[in-house]
Amino acid sequence: GAVVSQHPSRVICKSGTSVKIECRSLDFQATTMFWYRQFPKQSLMLMATSNEGSKATYEQGVEKDKFLINHASLTLSTLTVTSAHPEDSSFYICSASFRWGNTEAFFGQGTRLTVV
Amino acid sequence: SQELEQSPQSLIVQEGKNLTINCTSSKTLYGLYWYKQKYGEGLIFLMMLQKGGEEKSHEKITAKLDEKKQQSSLHITASQPSHAGIYLCGAYIIQGAQKLVFGQGTRLTINP
Repeated sequence: GAVVSQHPSRVICKSGTSVKIECRSLDFQATTMFWYRQFPKQSLMLMATSNEGSKATYEQGVEKDKFLINHASLTLSTLTVTSAHPEDSSFYICSASFRWGNTEAFFGQGTRLTVV
Repeated sequence: SQELEQSPQSLIVQEGKNLTINCTSSKTLYGLYWYKQKYGEGLIFLMMLQKGGEEKSHEKITAKLDEKKQQSSLHITASQPSHAGIYLCGAYIIQGAQKLVFGQGTRLTINP
């Protein structure tokens, strides 16, 4: 099946710094990528939807200036957590698809972010 | 996600017993997915349902999507310890934009 690679898998950063998480579709062109955040013992919360070449659509309550999403190509989307704070510590996971609604959504391995 | 209501949120069953997890929406679901996850790890794809009335099975797991495409169930027969984990239903919906959203998840524990 299709592969989505997410990097890094774990990152620890100091409070106030920025962290970039990459999500790559390795063997298909992902027209749409989704970014999720998962709190302990909770489900995946959709943060934003990104379509190649256009601005990301953020869910209500998600700060677009804090969570910068770029989908510059059909194989790469990035999530940058700017000026990270301890409350941003979480598990972030991306999903990519090449055909909305009609095919399996492929997920990255996730990134565990810890802000100290 | 409030778009998808998943129940129960927690389930403890004895090994060998059958169990069912439900996923309901007030909206039409364009593609319904079932995944399994261990928290902090990636998602394991189980099944995808698209057509109303569709049913799929893999080993001891069966998933169904109702005719209206608003409700799905995941049924595990003769549960085993390997079935333990978090089960997530996800679906494409149209809410302004096209979105892939998830239910709250069901934490399944299998007791020996």
